[in-house]
Amino acid sequence: QSVLTQPPSVSGAPGQTVTISCTGSSSNLGAGNGAGYAVHWYQQVPGAAPKLLLFDNHNRPSGVPDRFSGSKSGTSASLAITGLQAEDEAEYYCQSYDSGLFYVFGTGTKVTVL
Amino acid sequence: QVQLVESGGGVVQPGKSLRLSCAASGFAFNTYSIHWVRQAPGQGLAWVAVISYDGSNKYYADSVKGRFTISRDNSKNTLYLQMNNLRPEDTAVYFCARYCRGASCAHFDYWGQGTLVTVSS
Repeated sequence: QSVLTQPPSVSGAPGQTVTISCTGSSSNLGAGNGAGYAVHWYQQVPGAAPKLLLFDNHNRPSGVPDRFSGSKSGTSASLAITGLQAEDEAEYYCQSYDSGLFYVFGTGTKVTVL
Repeated sequence: QVQLVESGGGVVQPGKSLRLSCAASGFAFNTYSIHWVRQAPGQGLAWVAVISYDGSNKYYADSVKGRFTISRDNSKNTLYLQMNNLRPEDTAVYFCARYCRGASCAHFDYWGQGTLVTVSS
């Protein structure tokens, strides 16, 4: 059972910008004094393992293009992909910590490049 | 380079047992917590269990508590998941994932390729 809600799908033409939302609650993204637990994002292409895309809300691991950016506010977070490319077609998951459920993932969003 | 390689998946009947392994290389295995995460066919990711770097702390998702046991052998750089009393709803690809290290760290920085477990009569 996923406690972080994402839109099932988003799409865009090459070069466009798409945004994926991740909505949580006061036990995860909005926990504590409001700063909440951090959100992290993973990219998964079909048949492959998830790959870390962003960590701690907006930080990119080495090798991830700066076309990927993230933000978080309150109980919501978002991932933006600017300058969409064909290789960005994949499933994207947000993830955080939940005070009752430990580690939680989002429902997943399929990005389609038109 | 960091590598995590799962094995042990297969087809098993409901109520039976299976043990998964995750062989690690390319990093100091005995200094990292490691998790199991699963993905049912066509579904999203779901956290299963975690074990601390020295094996002293273990936590489980409610869906597997009492049936699954996570363990590790740091001398062999290997993580295990003993799965007992398997149910059809346990059918999934099982990934092992390394948890980042640091005071405020809270994400999975490396993943294995996964091993498929199918529970069916």
